[in-house]
Amino acid sequence: EAGVTQFPSHSVIEKGQTVTLRCDPISGHDNLYWYRRVMGKEIKFLLHFVKESKQDESGMPNNRFLAERTGGTYSTLKVQPAELEDSGVYFCASSSQGAGEAFFGQGTRLTVV
Amino acid sequence: QQQVKQSPQSLIVQKGGISIINCAYENTAFDYFPWYQQFPGKGPALLIAIRPDVSEKKEGRFTISFNKSAKQFSLHIMDSQPGDSATYFCAASMNSGYSTLTFGKGTMLLVSP
Repeated sequence: EAGVTQFPSHSVIEKGQTVTLRCDPISGHDNLYWYRRVMGKEIKFLLHFVKESKQDESGMPNNRFLAERTGGTYSTLKVQPAELEDSGVYFCASSSQGAGEAFFGQGTRLTVV
Repeated sequence: QQQVKQSPQSLIVQKGGISIINCAYENTAFDYFPWYQQFPGKGPALLIAIRPDVSEKKEGRFTISFNKSAKQFSLHIMDSQPGDSATYFCAASMNSGYSTLTFGKGTMLLVSP
């Protein structure tokens, strides 16, 4: 069974540009989470989807971040326009409705220069 | 406000020794305390977890000790091996793990041969 897959693995963009991160959860997992780790800091929650609906987006830093989950399958996280402080590793995780364990993807390392 | 405080930031242990990582939390509503292990280039993976109705949980060489009154929990790695070298994150969650995770800052463990 395929795990959580994230694309791209790395992205380097200039300040002001737009970047879109993608997450493919484990098939059948209704819960999808986005987290971010800024260097040296803790992994912080961004938002939570249940199927295609946003269950909790209290961790989204500001309105430059937009997350979508098309048809309850894969999810995208768009940053527009990117700022220097958006640099970090963005993790996606998924879990099934019947189990609490969240499985993480390998992360996307975003560098804004 | 950091809700889960983790220490030390880094740790070097000789092969065969005991690695100890400590975490403290503030929110008494937390009722699920997992530890994640992350290797370079990979996402965090669940290592072991505990609920507050027990004071200790052991899985192989890994043990969680939990002190509810002190609001502290720790990870002990017995007979540490070079393959244990990784970053370890403690985390906490509510609703028996069905809520989002609040992470500590992580501990980089290096087990020297």
